[in-house]
Amino acid sequence: DAGITQSPRHKVTETGTPVTLRCHQTENHRYMYWYRQDPGHGLRLIHYSYGVKDTDKGEVSDGYSVSRSKTEDFLLTLESATSSQTSVYFCAISDGGASYEQYFGPGTRLTVT
Amino acid sequence: LAKTTQPISMDSYEGQEVNITCSHNNIATNDYITWYQQFPSQGPRFIIQGYKTKVTNEVASLFIPADRKSSTLSLPRVSLSDTAVYYCLVGEDGGSQGNLIFGKGTKLSVKP
Repeated sequence: DAGITQSPRHKVTETGTPVTLRCHQTENHRYMYWYRQDPGHGLRLIHYSYGVKDTDKGEVSDGYSVSRSKTEDFLLTLESATSSQTSVYFCAISDGGASYEQYFGPGTRLTVT
Repeated sequence: LAKTTQPISMDSYEGQEVNITCSHNNIATNDYITWYQQFPSQGPRFIIQGYKTKVTNEVASLFIPADRKSSTLSLPRVSLSDTAVYYCLVGEDGGSQGNLIFGKGTKLSVKP
C-alpha cells in the first residue's frame, strides 16, 4: 500500500470550532487531494494540490481551506466547523502521470456536534 | 466534465462473472475511463483504466465500445470478498487532476 497516513483518524468537535486534518505521504507524489464521503453522495473533491503551495478548489470547497508547505503534508482546515461538515474525509495522492490512479488514505471520521 | 451513470446496486453469487456497465454519453476525446473499488471503512482502490477496446489485468477486464459512450467492468468468478462499491470515473488524462468525479457508485453484493 502507498505510504499515506491521516491524522486524526477520529474526531468529535463542537460547532464553531476550528479543525485541522493532516495528510502525510512518504511517496513523494506531486498531487494530493482531499475528499469527503457522505451517504448518498459518494466521494466529492474538496481541494487538491499540484505542488508545494499550489492548490485549487474542488467540487465542494466552501467552508474549507488547505495548505501545502511541504511535498509530504497536505492540511485541510475547517475554519468554523458546522454540523453539515460531519463526514468521512479521505486524502489521496497521485504522481500525475498518464493515469488517474490515486492512492487513498485510511480516512478520518469527523463528527461536528 | 463528463458525468457517469451506473446501477445503484447489483447482486451476484460466488463463482459467477459480474459485469457492471457505466454510461458516459458526453465523454470527451481525451478522457480516460477509470474504475475504483471501495470496501466499507476504507478508501477507494484503483482497479483498472482504459481508453478504448479492452484492457485486462489480474483483477478485472474493462470493455470499451468504439463510440466510448459506455464501458463495462468485468469481474471473473467473484467471491464474497468482492462485495464492495465500484465507481466509474471519466476524466482527461494528463489534464486538470482535480476534476475527478466519483459519483455514487454501484454496490455489489456477492452471496454464497
